[in-house]
Amino acid sequence: QQQVKQSPQSLIVQKGGISIINCAYENTAFDYFPWYQQFPGKGPALLIAIRPDVSEKKEGRFTISFNKSAKQFSLHIMDSQPGDSATYFCAASRKVGGATNKLIFGTGTLLAVQP
Amino acid sequence: KAGVTQTPRYLIKTRGQQVTLSCSPISGHRSVSWYQQTPGQGLQFLFEYFSETQRNKGNFPGRFSGRQFSNSRSEMNVSTLELGDSALYLCASSFLTSGGNTGELFFGEGSRLTVL
Repeated sequence: QQQVKQSPQSLIVQKGGISIINCAYENTAFDYFPWYQQFPGKGPALLIAIRPDVSEKKEGRFTISFNKSAKQFSLHIMDSQPGDSATYFCAASRKVGGATNKLIFGTGTLLAVQP
Repeated sequence: KAGVTQTPRYLIKTRGQQVTLSCSPISGHRSVSWYQQTPGQGLQFLFEYFSETQRNKGNFPGRFSGRQFSNSRSEMNVSTLELGDSALYLCASSFLTSGGNTGELFFGEGSRLTVL
């Protein structure tokens, strides 16, 4: 119930195309859903995050779509660029008797954007 | 503003040894979390500290321990190292307050531990 399932494991997209990564969760107590981007040799960096009171959040070329009833959320990268090539992780967390930074991460998606 | 600093960046140990990893959070951040990253298990939560108190602990054996100092700097220790402890250990800090929701985690570049 603590798992976050992420797909696909890897993704190849042409420059200018749309990259879509999906995640699903079981625990309805989760109330924070971030996406992190990680380049080789670096730590993950927050890309965009959403809370379950909204169904979509857009920041530049990055959009999170959230379906509370289906317990799914996805990341869309519009106009994908070679510089977007990285590993993307979805995550989820919930408050446990107070504040928490315990994130449950998905398994990651290796995105390659071909020029 | 300096980011999260982790030391050492790379280290090699042998089975049975112990290791201590250090993390300096971003100035003003009082919450520090530790994660283990491996190709097989991905990113897994180890523990979280706020104001020198452990708030959460992941499902790791007691060989894994940590602490936080009054200046918010944190250390984690792994005793009796096993081959399976080889991983990238990531530290993350945040502005999290005592009653706030999960906020943005700022990760360091990690300490890569190899156990031979």
